[in-house]
Amino acid sequence: GEDVEQSLFLSVREGDSSVINCTYTDSSSTYLYWYKQEPGAGLQLLTYIFSNMDMKQDQRLTVLLNKKDKHLSLRIADTQTGDSAIYFCAEEAGGYNKLIFGAGTRLAVHP
Amino acid sequence: DAEITQSPRHKITETGRQVTLACHQTWNHNNMFWYRQDLGHGLRLIHYSYGVQDTNKGEVSDGYSVSRSNTEDLPLTLESAASSQTSVYFCASSEKYNSPLHFGNGTRLTVT
Repeated sequence: GEDVEQSLFLSVREGDSSVINCTYTDSSSTYLYWYKQEPGAGLQLLTYIFSNMDMKQDQRLTVLLNKKDKHLSLRIADTQTGDSAIYFCAEEAGGYNKLIFGAGTRLAVHP
Repeated sequence: DAEITQSPRHKITETGRQVTLACHQTWNHNNMFWYRQDLGHGLRLIHYSYGVQDTNKGEVSDGYSVSRSNTEDLPLTLESAASSQTSVYFCASSEKYNSPLHFGNGTRLTVT
């Protein structure tokens, strides 16, 4: 079956790097996504990676994909207080543009 | 600017009542989705539509229905609200395959 797992909580110091991890089960997933949710708001797309890529970098964000282990990670460099939010990993599985989401990782950034 | 709007933002209803949550998008997107968000479960897909007159069941569709009579709207109806349907509901839309999902700000529904 399809399942996406993430750790539920991460606490980092301002200025440090944050690494949020995710595992997925559907090896046929074409795209994998990271979404960010701020309090009281919907989800916003942060970045995504195509399944034939190992890494994607976008400013402070780095996504690493290990297809063999079905492991996805999101690294945020120089983490700021504005990065405090819930981060969701999602895989595109089971059909056209249908996303399966993990439970979300709450990132807390402290001074 | 194009947007996706959900209404109401908050709703309290009683067990057994029929409730409809509205979702309206102005992007002219073909694809629309309804998710519910519960602590510890992330977002789970309820129903989705790839175009007018098309509707499909997601993983948690029992007790819910949708209709797609035009491109802009995908209302979600709870036929007979149950306390287990207390949740935050998100509507999303996308243009095409591999287009990002655009999410509304959610509707918090409480069933008493």
